[in-house]
Amino acid sequence: EVQLVQSGAEVKKPGESLKISCQGSGFIFSNYWIAWVRQMPGKGLEWMGTIYVGDSDIKYSPSFQGQVTISADKSISTAYLQWSSLKASDDAMYYCARQGGGTSCFDYWGQGTQVTVSS
Amino acid sequence: SYVVTQPPSVSVAPGQTASITCGGNYIGSRSVHWYQQKPGQAPVLVVQDDSIRPSGIPERFSASNSGNTATLTISRVEAGDEADYSCHVWDRFSDHMIFGGGTKLTVL
Repeated sequence: EVQLVQSGAEVKKPGESLKISCQGSGFIFSNYWIAWVRQMPGKGLEWMGTIYVGDSDIKYSPSFQGQVTISADKSISTAYLQWSSLKASDDAMYYCARQGGGTSCFDYWGQGTQVTVSS
Repeated sequence: SYVVTQPPSVSVAPGQTASITCGGNYIGSRSVHWYQQKPGQAPVLVVQDDSIRPSGIPERFSASNSGNTATLTISRVEAGDEADYSCHVWDRFSDHMIFGGGTKLTVL
């Protein structure tokens, strides 16, 4: 069974750093692109970027380029999303999703990681 | 950059047919995917590549894509279909993923 399991909810202060994770199982993690998607409270889905785990090729949305860092460790089937200095506007739910083979759709999603940024 | 537009809300009575649109310039030349998201849950893929239903998705969900509009159609709507529905395309020119703003389906 394909699963993406994300790390737990985080509560941080503005200016703090954070790294959240997404661990895959039930498929060959290094053969897939893994995306990160933001959902702000009451808002729609926003693509942040995608990493090909096999060679760490990364594509960023222009809206998030320079604001976050996407990485992966194929040895432990885990992708990461990190911030060096959180802002209040980073307060959101973050999902990882697998991009299906041979298609651009996101066929499996993690359960989401809630990031709360508050002073 | 490429933009896709969805109506904010659609309402339909139980048993009727709901149509949710996703508009974009020549969207018919791109593959469109649709996701269902219920409150407090992660999105679920309900249609991929314009009209393909993933395993486990009821036949009541269908979709089409032509010209400047892609459409998700839900037949014989049930109360459990009440959710947000989002379209998604890949912009091959920028190699970026684009989501529509989402449509809230209300079952009256």
